[in-house]
Amino acid sequence: DAGITQSPRHKVTETGTPVTLRCHQTENHRYMYWYRQDPGHGLRLIHYSYGVKDTDKGEVSDGYSVSRSKTEDFLLTLESATSSQTSVYFCAISESSGSFEQFFGPGTRLTVL
Amino acid sequence: GENVEQHPSTLSVQEGDSAVIKCTYSDSASNYFPWYKQELGKGPQLIIDIRSNVGEKKDQRIAVTLNKTAKHFSLHITETQPEDSAVYFCAASTPPGTYKYIFGTGTRLKVLA
Repeated sequence: DAGITQSPRHKVTETGTPVTLRCHQTENHRYMYWYRQDPGHGLRLIHYSYGVKDTDKGEVSDGYSVSRSKTEDFLLTLESATSSQTSVYFCAISESSGSFEQFFGPGTRLTVL
Repeated sequence: GENVEQHPSTLSVQEGDSAVIKCTYSDSASNYFPWYKQELGKGPQLIIDIRSNVGEKKDQRIAVTLNKTAKHFSLHITETQPEDSAVYFCAASTPPGTYKYIFGTGTRLKVLA
């Protein structure tokens, strides 16, 4: 399995509080992604990174920000969590050698009350 | 925007029978189409993929076919086993040649013993 960890694995928080999710990889892959997974919607891209300090928005980026200060870490921040952000969040990585495969982490279940 | 439609949303088959899941994509320039399997409580895992210059690809009991003219691709699982029970996602790379995907909404496959 690709070396991807996510922390925390589970979190319950209240509306209006800030939340940061961490994705850590040991594969030295260039690309990193944050997705959310909701019933009936599959996996939707929130933000992605194509290098250190290089990030771009995905299809559902409103209410989320990201940072990547090191190759191995990609942080997802909910500045002020809302109930609509209750979801399972997945981090993924891919390399840039011509393979398009994305490797996924184990996920973080976030509940916003 | 670009999208990927996946059908059916649920599929039940008897053990030993075949299962077929179909996806259509909107961007005719998409050139990479992976299929992921997700078991309960885990992240998605790539099971097979196909590039736009190939019409069919097989890996043991799993095969994927691609019809570029019709913009659809399908996953075929033969001789299904109980361990094939999972949620399956198709995806298409977009913009073409990038390392980003648009995912389908998933198919829950149940293999009945």
